[in-house]
Amino acid sequence: EPEVTQTPSHQVTQMGQEVILRCVPISNHLYFYWYRQILGQKVEFLVSFYNNEISEKSEIFDDQFSVERPDGSNFTLKIRSTKLEDSAMYFCASSQLENTEAFFGQGTRLTVV
Amino acid sequence: AQSVTQPDIHITVSEGASLELRCNYSYGATPYLFWYVQSPGQGLQLLLKYFSGDTLVQGIKGFEAEFKRSQSSFNLRKPSVHWSDAAEYFCAVGAREYGNKLVFGAGTILRVKS
Repeated sequence: EPEVTQTPSHQVTQMGQEVILRCVPISNHLYFYWYRQILGQKVEFLVSFYNNEISEKSEIFDDQFSVERPDGSNFTLKIRSTKLEDSAMYFCASSQLENTEAFFGQGTRLTVV
Repeated sequence: AQSVTQPDIHITVSEGASLELRCNYSYGATPYLFWYVQSPGQGLQLLLKYFSGDTLVQGIKGFEAEFKRSQSSFNLRKPSVHWSDAAEYFCAVGAREYGNKLVFGAGTILRVKS
């Protein structure tokens, strides 16, 4: 069964460092998303991406964040200068069409120290 | 603003007993509704979804949910819980009018006692 794959599963980084979280969406999906879940809190929408551009972003997704689809398979989230409060589980998701169910990856747990 | 409420943070049921997890939403549009499950250290697995049509939807692992527009609810049910159902359950809502993003509830942690 096709699935969304995220790497790494865990990442520890020092405050101020750049991190790149990687995702391989399901191959025939066209819409891609990043969500995050701070420990003990809700899963929150960060950004959606379609046709090689951001289609929507939340208030959380400020200038420190960027997304890219560098080739035909990967979808990345970059945090330029990490802060302690960026520590969270980051989920990538994809959907085949607009307004259809999203399939989520296993998540990357990011710890900023 | 759109919001999703799962009023129960924790629920404990005995193995074999029935289960109902509550979800209420506040949306200014016709919603799409989902239930996801997350086991410890795992990702979010889709249990079931409602887009339109029959308001009682069947999902995987024996779960079902009923959409009640008049009550703005989408409660998840299972007639007989298994120990492997212990996990955290998230209700999520989307709508065409609000793009493709999902708004999640805070989650309900299900504990199953033998």
